[in-house]
Amino acid sequence: GAGVSQSPSNKVTEKGKDVELRCDPISGHTALYWYRQSLGQGLEFLIYFQGNSAPDKSGLPSDRFSAERTGGSVSTLTIQRTQQEDSAVYLCASSLEAGKGTVNEQFFGPGTRLTVL
Amino acid sequence: RKEVEQDPGPFNVPEGATVAFNCTYSNSASQSFFWYRQDCRKEPKLLMSVYSSGNEDGRFTAQLNRASQYISLLIRDSKLSDSATYLCVVRSISGGYNKLIFGAGTRLAVHP
Repeated sequence: GAGVSQSPSNKVTEKGKDVELRCDPISGHTALYWYRQSLGQGLEFLIYFQGNSAPDKSGLPSDRFSAERTGGSVSTLTIQRTQQEDSAVYLCASSLEAGKGTVNEQFFGPGTRLTVL
Repeated sequence: RKEVEQDPGPFNVPEGATVAFNCTYSNSASQSFFWYRQDCRKEPKLLMSVYSSGNEDGRFTAQLNRASQYISLLIRDSKLSDSATYLCVVRSISGGYNKLIFGAGTRLAVHP
């Protein structure tokens, strides 16, 4: 079946512009995660959506970053007034979450490579 | 201190070698542990879960030491196709949220 998809695959923008990154999770997956990966670095957690619960926004680096998940499916990560340090690959992942203590694999999308000039 | 720490490598080994990666985590309440593999410019993919009793999947063996908060991955008979970055991943529940914390990864390069 279809995996996690993300768009665009590449985005080049000018400093100060706003960007929107989209994630389509695997159908039926209730949990959705956004991560950021800078060149040669590990994954930095940004935000987590689980069903209808309030999202865990603890990883968002500044108030320029926000995310929404509409209808429990598609998610959009918005970065306002982009800065050069925002340049990174933004990865989305989804998983089935059946509750605490359940081990669930996260399936990642191919990522959006953001370059801020 | 990072919540999950790994030796970044790179580990350069010949085909057929045995190589071991180590990982430590700081949150003693962590509940689940995984190794993910990430190929160059690709997304991470689950390699294997890590169980308290240790587990094996073909040439790969994962072990967990909860007392020392230490996880390991052993790769036997390395293949060229094993070249990748191996991410140690720890799952914790914090504030009612499940969260996966990724290490920065250990890079493996297998050469002929």
